[in-house]
Amino acid sequence: AQSVAQPEDQVNVAEGNPLTVKCTYSVSGNPYLFWYVQYPNRGLQFLLKYITGDNLVKGSYGFEAEFNKSQTSFHLKKPSALVSDSALYFCAVRVYYNQGGKLIFGQGTELSVKP
Amino acid sequence: GAVVSQHPSRVICKSGTSVKIECRSLDFQATTMFWYRQFPKKSLMLMATSNEGSKATYEQGVEKDKFLINHASLTLSTLTVTSAHPEDSSFYICSARTTGGGYEQYFGPGTRLTVT
Repeated sequence: AQSVAQPEDQVNVAEGNPLTVKCTYSVSGNPYLFWYVQYPNRGLQFLLKYITGDNLVKGSYGFEAEFNKSQTSFHLKKPSALVSDSALYFCAVRVYYNQGGKLIFGQGTELSVKP
Repeated sequence: GAVVSQHPSRVICKSGTSVKIECRSLDFQATTMFWYRQFPKKSLMLMATSNEGSKATYEQGVEKDKFLINHASLTLSTLTVTSAHPEDSSFYICSARTTGGGYEQYFGPGTRLTVT
């Protein structure tokens, strides 16, 4: 079965420290991978994607993610966390389905950045 | 660009009534729209996929007669929760994918439904 896993429900980081939010996937074929962020009572905002090309993908707000095919991972990273980065983060993989595809989401990781 | 709006942002309705939620792509055409349901601090559960001009495809376990989806144009999809019950209370989020095949889905801000 095709799936996405985010092994950590919550990640706590001090402001200014690097952060990592983990994601692993299981899909057949080449994966199309995404990261989204959700602030309270809001919809999801697109951060970055990996379709093909360089394994290191840079996205919005200083975030980046590294595609690792051998480890089937797509961890989200940021060199220096901000308090304003505190939010719910979702990893997703696109699977082919019904004229194009659909996103399968991980269970989400709540990131808390303390001053 | 690529803005998706939802209306209303919050709605409270009585048990047994129906409520309609609109999803609009404001600055692009969306051949495909998706409806998700999200419980507090939980992942998004895909309810259905709708393609403009055709019937929606529902995920397993989602009642098509209860959650009516209409995708009448390339910029508008509606979700109607019929005969709502308190257990239908949730955060409903729509998403739209552009016609250009860019793979991103753009998400609306969500609608908080409370059924009393």
